[in-house]
Amino acid sequence: SAVISQKPSRDICQRGTSLTIQCQVDSQVTMMFWYRQQPGQSLTLIATANQGSEATYESGFVIDKFPISRPNLTFSTLTVSNMSPEDSSIYLCSARGSGNTIYFGEGSWLTVV
Amino acid sequence: DAKTTQPPSMDCAEGRAANLPCNHSTISGNEYVYWYRQIHSQGPQYIIHGLKNNETNEMASLIITEDRKSSTLILPHATLRDTAVYYCIVRGDNYGQNFVFGPGTRLSVLP
Repeated sequence: SAVISQKPSRDICQRGTSLTIQCQVDSQVTMMFWYRQQPGQSLTLIATANQGSEATYESGFVIDKFPISRPNLTFSTLTVSNMSPEDSSIYLCSARGSGNTIYFGEGSWLTVV
Repeated sequence: DAKTTQPPSMDCAEGRAANLPCNHSTISGNEYVYWYRQIHSQGPQYIIHGLKNNETNEMASLIITEDRKSSTLILPHATLRDTAVYYCIVRGDNYGQNFVFGPGTRLSVLP
């Protein structure tokens, strides 16, 4: 299994600002993903972070709001842009290695005030 | 949309087996059944997965019915630390296919 670290683990942000979340995996992985978990809800996939190319976004998520980078096989960032209180969520990074199982980081708890 | 149906909540006495059901009546031949759990304030944790045979690891057992339309995750001796939301996910073996999480079952292990 892969060990996935996220930073920050928790933050309180002002409305209208942007926050970048970092995700580091301890080994090279083929695929990385970003999920959102709103309060009391299940996980929703935001996008697949593609190494060396633009991320693939799910319906309802756009690049302008959630720009994603993946410069190499072990690192990705998710930016939550122009935040509003509705963006208060847990943002989770996940990764898949050679098998089909995915593993998750501990999440980044974001509160927008 | 999630392809699985789970009860929203269950209770289990500490030390007893916890049996968590999952219905996946539309599962297709190449789709696996995965189980994850999410303990409060943590990221989801992989538990086990299977295709059609029963599976067991150090955490749990997975029993899949012969028609594959349902399965049961068994925690043989539940502890208070097993209190979590348990997610049953059906996913094909296509490498590009995503994991779709439903609402899961909130298991409460009671002392």
